[in-house]
Amino acid sequence: GIQVEQSPPDLILQEGANSTLRCNFSDSVNNLQWFHQNPWGQLINLFYIPSGTKQNGRLSATTVATERYSLLYISSSQTTDSGVYFCAVGLGGWNNNDMRFGAGTRLTVKP
Amino acid sequence: EAGVTQFPSHSVIEKGQTVTLRCDPISGHDNLYWYRRVMGKEIKFLLHFVKESKQDESGMPNNRFLAERTGGTYSTLKVQPAELEDSGVYFCASSQTWGQPQHFGDGTRLSIL
Repeated sequence: GIQVEQSPPDLILQEGANSTLRCNFSDSVNNLQWFHQNPWGQLINLFYIPSGTKQNGRLSATTVATERYSLLYISSSQTTDSGVYFCAVGLGGWNNNDMRFGAGTRLTVKP
Repeated sequence: EAGVTQFPSHSVIEKGQTVTLRCDPISGHDNLYWYRRVMGKEIKFLLHFVKESKQDESGMPNNRFLAERTGGTYSTLKVQPAELEDSGVYFCASSQTWGQPQHFGDGTRLSIL
């Protein structure tokens, strides 16, 4: 099955710093989403980005589908950005629609 | 628009007991998915409904797990009997059609004592 690898596994930043999280996947995908799991365990949908670039405030994401990777950029990080960031991909077929998650990147932003 | 809702948010039961989790998808979403994260491991797919039909249940761990979606609206996931290794967070997600973004609920944290 499709493999999803996220790096780095852990990241510690000072407030105000920028960071880049990476997601590599082993097959062509029709669906890619980035999630933030907050300290309360909730999965917050950040981006639906099977290809291209999107921006939402201090966050932006880029997926290069032909090279099978996606990047999540966090600028001017804040302590509330702490948590685990997951990348999930899906093949998108009618009979193969489940999302495969990476192991996540645990981000800690220190004040 | 209301999001995906799950309840209970947290359930604590003893080994051998039965627990039923419920998921209400976003209205109009035919596709409903169950996932879980156990023992701090990766979030894993359990099964996928299209309306009331099970499209893919390849991720169900064993026959102690039973999922239903009668009428194609809300879904339940029953664990009977619960074992210690079932502890974790169970997520439900829904999407309008396949290939569209999946919207996740807040999850049910299941603790087996």
